[in-house]
Amino acid sequence: DQQVKQNSPSLSVQEGRISILNCDYTNSMFDYFLWYKKYPAEGPTFLISISSIKDKNEDGRFTVFLNKSAKHLSLHIVPSQPGDSAVYFCAASYPVNQFYFGTGTSLTVIP
Amino acid sequence: DTEVTQTPKHLVMGMTNKKSLKCEQHMGHRAMYWYKQKAKKPPELMFVYSYEKLSINESVPSRFSPECPNSSLLNLHLHALQPEDSALYLCASSQESGWGVGAFFGQGTRLTVV
Repeated sequence: DQQVKQNSPSLSVQEGRISILNCDYTNSMFDYFLWYKKYPAEGPTFLISISSIKDKNEDGRFTVFLNKSAKHLSLHIVPSQPGDSAVYFCAASYPVNQFYFGTGTSLTVIP
Repeated sequence: DTEVTQTPKHLVMGMTNKKSLKCEQHMGHRAMYWYKQKAKKPPELMFVYSYEKLSINESVPSRFSPECPNSSLLNLHLHALQPEDSALYLCASSQESGWGVGAFFGQGTRLTVV
């Protein structure tokens, strides 16, 4: 049973616009959430994270929002750049050292 | 050095072979992981080592045998695999605490069982 879900397998966005990637989870015990970026033939690369005690975390062009009541998180990329084209996985963690990944969203940023 | 190094990058093995995947990190991380990823699927957690001791085994078949010889190395020994075990095997490491940077992943070993 998939505890972390990304319902959009793909997303296309024009360069300079906002990319919004969504993620839903079912396990209310998850206490840490992460986004990873993955290029072909490479392992996932950590992007940004958020603890369950927060509802927003920002790092440059990347912002993650957490809505615990809805069990939903989203990643906003502003402005989107062609180099952002990759597969994005959200991941959730509980207990310590167990990361569970969503199914991924393939983002294409069109120049 | 913020790398997790996995060898080999590609491996083809027969169902009667014995082989090993290797993973190395020098970031002082005390948690190390094996993940399995099939095409168009998310990485699936297999094993977690914490301070060189196996702390999590996600009901992985015994034909996969992990080993953590020291705090920098993680092996995955393979024996009598099945064709459906063909996948990308990812190693990762993380700090025991300080969740801010998540886990670092290697580039993976692409395993094909014939």
